[in-house]
Amino acid sequence: AQSVSQHNHHVILSEAASLELGCNYSYGGTVNLFWYVQYPGQHLQLLLKYFSGDPLVKGIKGFEAEFIKSKFSFNLRKPSVQWSDTAEYFCAVKGSARQLTFGSGTQLTVLP
Amino acid sequence: GAVVSQHPSRVICKSGTSVKIECRSLDFQATTMFWYRQFPKQSLMLMATSNEGSKATYEQGVEKDKFLINHASLTLSTLTVTSAHPEDSSFYICSAREGQLMNTEAFFGQGTRLTVV
Repeated sequence: AQSVSQHNHHVILSEAASLELGCNYSYGGTVNLFWYVQYPGQHLQLLLKYFSGDPLVKGIKGFEAEFIKSKFSFNLRKPSVQWSDTAEYFCAVKGSARQLTFGSGTQLTVLP
Repeated sequence: GAVVSQHPSRVICKSGTSVKIECRSLDFQATTMFWYRQFPKQSLMLMATSNEGSKATYEQGVEKDKFLINHASLTLSTLTVTSAHPEDSSFYICSAREGQLMNTEAFFGQGTRLTVV
């Protein structure tokens, strides 16, 4: 069975600080990896995804993530956060079951 | 990206009544739709997967007689919470996918906040 672990439950940063949110998955086969963002009161939106190829994936709004197969990790990064990045971030994995399994989410609060 | 519309966004119902939640793909044909449940401060938990024209596949621990899923067309799936109780209060989210391939993206509805009183 596939599983996803997000170790940071709540991260608080000041504007312009750098961000890295951890995501580790458990699955032995080929996986697709995703990061979603949920702004307050809004639906889930896809930030970025990895299917194959370059393990460094660039997404929307300046976010990027790096797939490190040996570490089963897919950490999300942003060099300089903004107040508008305040949201909940979910890492998700899709294996052969073709369904998404989500991590528990990380609440990011950016202080102005 | 593609749009998935979920309705209603918020519903309050009395204990013992049934509630229907609709999930529509507005600009694509959704061969597969997924229903999730999200408890406060927790992640999305997959409840069931439905393919158009066939019976839904429920995850372990999800009562199929309580959470009725219908996917009668390529653009509409419904989740009916039957005989709702306060413990069914939660945030329900649907997502829809156009293709069957593993690397096909799924798009999410805005969710339905169900409160059973």
